[in-house]
Amino acid sequence: NAGVTQTPKFQVLKTGQSMTLQCAQDMNHNSMYWYRQDPGMGLRLIYYSASEGTTDKGEVPNGYNVSRLNKREFSLRLESAAPSQTSVYFCASSELADLRGEQYFGPGTRLTVT
Amino acid sequence: AQSVTQLGSHVSVSEGALVLLRCNYSSSVPPYLFWYVQYPNQGLQLLLKYTTGATLVKGINGFEAEFKKSETSFHLTKPSAHMSDAAEYFCAVKDYQLIWGAGTKLIIKP
Repeated sequence: NAGVTQTPKFQVLKTGQSMTLQCAQDMNHNSMYWYRQDPGMGLRLIYYSASEGTTDKGEVPNGYNVSRLNKREFSLRLESAAPSQTSVYFCASSELADLRGEQYFGPGTRLTVT
Repeated sequence: AQSVTQLGSHVSVSEGALVLLRCNYSSSVPPYLFWYVQYPNQGLQLLLKYTTGATLVKGINGFEAEFKKSETSFHLTKPSAHMSDAAEYFCAVKDYQLIWGAGTKLIIKP
């Protein structure tokens, strides 16, 4: 039982390049989330998927797209990376979308855009 | 919209001393409140949560938090700090999504 896994762990991009961050969970959770973490700002929600087949914007969606590939997998795509997207990205999942329960986090992807 | 304020970006205590990490929230409705911990280079994990019922909530690793509606606070405490408690701690409140505080880094002095 690996929980929430993320790939890659580290990535360096040049401005304008694209990439996809992968996330998978093996807990049969319905809801999945993408956050970014910046120093002194806590976590900010980029996109979430309340259930398979649905995705919604969070607080900071500009410059990102997501795909809920199936119940297990939720990917985040940067189409044209910008230095402002340098951050640590966390994927999380929860059993339900009502936010009363625990969110389980992956280990994060540290992204640098030069 | 709700907001969460964590007082102090860094808190330093001696090993064996009381740990107190402060969290205040803005809410006009009964809140759901959470404390998460992040160890270096890891993801976040749930310490404890308040949903309804008893206002003193016990979590993992000896931590507890008290929900005080009149003060709109949900401070995290531990009677005796251990070196392994060194981490960053985040308070969060449920709104249409989770609203996160900026985090408090706990430093333990030997």
